[in-house]
Amino acid sequence: DAGVIQSPRHEVTEMGQEVTLRCKPISGHDYLFWYRQTMMRGLELLIYFNNNVPIDDSGMPEDRFSAKMPNASFSTLKIQPSEPRDSAVYFCASSRLVEETQYFGPGTRLLVL
Amino acid sequence: AQKVTQAQTEISVVEKEDVTLDCVYETRDTTYYLFWYKQPPSGELVFLIRRNSFDEQNEISGRYSWNFQKSTSSFNFTITASQVVDSAVYFCALSDDGRALTFGSGTRLQVQP
Repeated sequence: DAGVIQSPRHEVTEMGQEVTLRCKPISGHDYLFWYRQTMMRGLELLIYFNNNVPIDDSGMPEDRFSAKMPNASFSTLKIQPSEPRDSAVYFCASSRLVEETQYFGPGTRLLVL
Repeated sequence: AQKVTQAQTEISVVEKEDVTLDCVYETRDTTYYLFWYKQPPSGELVFLIRRNSFDEQNEISGRYSWNFQKSTSSFNFTITASQVVDSAVYFCALSDDGRALTFGSGTRLQVQP
């Protein structure tokens, strides 16, 4: 299997622009997770899905962030409008069950100027 | 509430030294799962081990070993004869009560040649 795929790997944008991050989970994994990693806050869980349904979005920082999973093989995390404090590495991960091993994608490094 | 504490922010050792990374967790559940991940300088998150709460046997994999002690709520990770390639940030994580992973703040290990 190719593992979790994320795109783009790097994104530089200007404040106020819309940013869309994409993730393809490992085939057969029913859970998909979005994390954000910053020096100040470490690894934070933003939201996770089970069978394409959002289960817990309590980690989403504010209404500017939204996530969707239209099918089992694709998810997006959107920031609109973006702000400099959104600069971080965003990871997507997937697992078969919520308590099983999560396998992480390579991450998207986002810089908002 | 679930919590994972990695008190060691940064450790520096010289190659071939043994090093232990500490992880202390808090949970009210009797069934839970503990994990270690490695994040090398390249940035990806690499799964190392998963252990359930009913299996207290120590685990050894090459130069890596893990000591799980429920009595002290600890899941420590030891690298024997450290190598420069072991330099990375190591994260301990916990999953309980059907929840997604809670990560510790990580320990940065620097192995000097």
